[in-house]
Amino acid sequence: DQQVKQNSPSLSVQEGRISILNCDYTNSMFDYFLWYKKYPAEGPTFLISISSIKDKNEDGRFTVFLNKSAKHLSLHIVPSQPGDFAVYFCAASGGFGNEKLTFGTGTRLTIIP
Amino acid sequence: EAGVAQSPRYKIIEKRQSVAFWCNPISGHATLYWYQQILGQGPKLLIQFQNNGVVDDSQLPKDRFSAERLKGVDSTLKIQPAKLEDSAVYLCASSLAYNTEAFFGQGTRLTVV
Repeated sequence: DQQVKQNSPSLSVQEGRISILNCDYTNSMFDYFLWYKKYPAEGPTFLISISSIKDKNEDGRFTVFLNKSAKHLSLHIVPSQPGDFAVYFCAASGGFGNEKLTFGTGTRLTIIP
Repeated sequence: EAGVAQSPRYKIIEKRQSVAFWCNPISGHATLYWYQQILGQGPKLLIQFQNNGVVDDSQLPKDRFSAERLKGVDSTLKIQPAKLEDSAVYLCASSLAYNTEAFFGQGTRLTVV
């Protein structure tokens, strides 16, 4: 039962343009959402999070949008830079007895020079 | 601030052998997680500790996997006996509290041959 889904395994974006990574979830009890970035041979690194009481959170080049009615969130990276080349994981938690982070399968972002 | 420490970084063992991984979380973090990440998939929670008590071990294969968190600080994860399908990266993470970001260690890459 895949409660957090990232339907695009890969995404290629030109340097300087906007990267949009998408994530869908099925568990309506989730109330906290996070994005992690992962380089090869390293553990995931926390990027940005959003609580269900908000619909947008911004941190520098990174913005996360949450659409609760659609059970959808997205990560926008503007402008995209070569160092953004990584795998991005969406994760969610929340609800009684569900404090653990549930991860999606990841999207590999490639930046084209 | 020191991050989450894990050892060893790499381990190769034969099937049916046993193996143990160690994790030292960020100082003051009450919550500790062990995740398993199989190639091409997102991290899957094996066990979550709150201080030295188990919060969630629903996805831990208890016939072969065991974990403990000594005095609510560092933790060990053991596999005995190992199977080929246990080949994965084992990630330890810690967080201050519920619904806060988790910080990951570099992981231990286990290969079972």
